[in-house]
Amino acid sequence: NAGVTQTPKFRILKIGQSMTLQCTQDMNHNYMYWYRQDPGMGLKLIYYSVGAGITDKGEVPNGYNVSRSTTEDFPLRLELAAPSQTSVYFCASNPDRANTEAFFGQGTRLTVV
Amino acid sequence: AQSVSQHNHHVILSEAASLELGCNYSYGGTVNLFWYVQYPGQHLQLLLKYFSGDPLVKGIKGFEAEFIKSKFSFNLRKPSVQWSDTAEYFCAVNNQRKLIWGLGTSLAVNP
Repeated sequence: NAGVTQTPKFRILKIGQSMTLQCTQDMNHNYMYWYRQDPGMGLKLIYYSVGAGITDKGEVPNGYNVSRSTTEDFPLRLELAAPSQTSVYFCASNPDRANTEAFFGQGTRLTVV
Repeated sequence: AQSVSQHNHHVILSEAASLELGCNYSYGGTVNLFWYVQYPGQHLQLLLKYFSGDPLVKGIKGFEAEFIKSKFSFNLRKPSVQWSDTAEYFCAVNNQRKLIWGLGTSLAVNP
């Protein structure tokens, strides 16, 4: 059971480039989330999804986009990378309700230079 | 709006010392509470959770937490820490369809 898988683990982008962070889970969870984690700032929710075809903004959605065409996949898109997007990104999922345990991916460390 | 406050940002202890990390939340209704741990270079893992029932919950690796409704608190405790407990600890509270996170407490345990 792989759980939540994120790719890539590390990436360096130049300002203005675009990229997609991949996230897939094999637990048939309806809820999926993207967070960014910056030192001393805790976890900030970027986007979340409560099921295929449904996405919603979190606390810090600017500069990002998501899609949820299947239950398994929840990619995060950066269209025009900026230095402020240098961070560690975590994808997470949980079953039907938010009051159950969230399972996290290993994270993607992104640096924008 | 709901918020979660973790009082200690950085804690340094010696092995065998006792640990208590504070967590307070602001929400008047029914809550579900979590403590997650993030070991260096790793992803977050659930340490323990409270949904209902006994307000003293036990988690993995000897950790426990007590839910005190009147104080809106969910403090994490461990009687005797080990060097391997060095990590970042996050308190979280559910909010409808998503979790609200505290800023985290960085714990360093000296051998």
